[in-house]
Amino acid sequence: DAKTTQPPSMDCAEGRAANLPCNHSTISGNEYVYWYRQIHSQGPQYIIHGLKNNETNEMASLIITEDRKSSTLILPHATLRDTAVYYCIVRSSNTGKLIFGQGTTLQVKP
Amino acid sequence: NAGVMQNPRHLVRRRGQEARLRCSPMKGHSHVYWYRQLPEEGLKFMVYLQKENIIDESGMPKERFSAEFPKEGPSILRIQQVVRGDSAAYFCASSPYGDINSNYGYTFGSGTRLTVV
Repeated sequence: DAKTTQPPSMDCAEGRAANLPCNHSTISGNEYVYWYRQIHSQGPQYIIHGLKNNETNEMASLIITEDRKSSTLILPHATLRDTAVYYCIVRSSNTGKLIFGQGTTLQVKP
Repeated sequence: NAGVMQNPRHLVRRRGQEARLRCSPMKGHSHVYWYRQLPEEGLKFMVYLQKENIIDESGMPKERFSAEFPKEGPSILRIQQVVRGDSAAYFCASSPYGDINSNYGYTFGSGTRLTVV
């Protein structure tokens, strides 16, 4: 299964864009990149996912490099409520399961 | 359309008792996943079930833990003879297609927080 590497923590000023990086250099061609977040021990919340193309929804944008070895989740205007642990997950093409790593703790500051 | 419903939200059990955690998937979802999150740790996959079948239980402890997803009713995660180390948050997730469709994510419930005293 492809592994992901994320910085353990990041800070972002309220109202600014939060850019969360993720490395997944061993990703296979048919494996999707998923992003979830967990706000203070609540259940994980789906944010966005993609395969090759960049994706955007009402929550965030996902930028995937052309070689697919890394991606960036962008929260365009971070608010205090976006403070959470953000998980970048490469969904296994073997098992299909979502396997969570340690994630990035994003602290949005006023 | 209600989301994934888990109950109880909080459960306290004495060592040696049984804990039963229930999960009702979203309407139309027939695939259920259980995850465990120990204090200050990440989420760990436990088991994947489809209606009346266990598909993957590779993350389940070998003893005391069992799961079912009957034809009717919620999925149940059962922990027998609980010990302090079982104290954790247990999350359930559901999906309409299962893991054969990687282009569809899981929806998680709010979890059950089990405390063993």
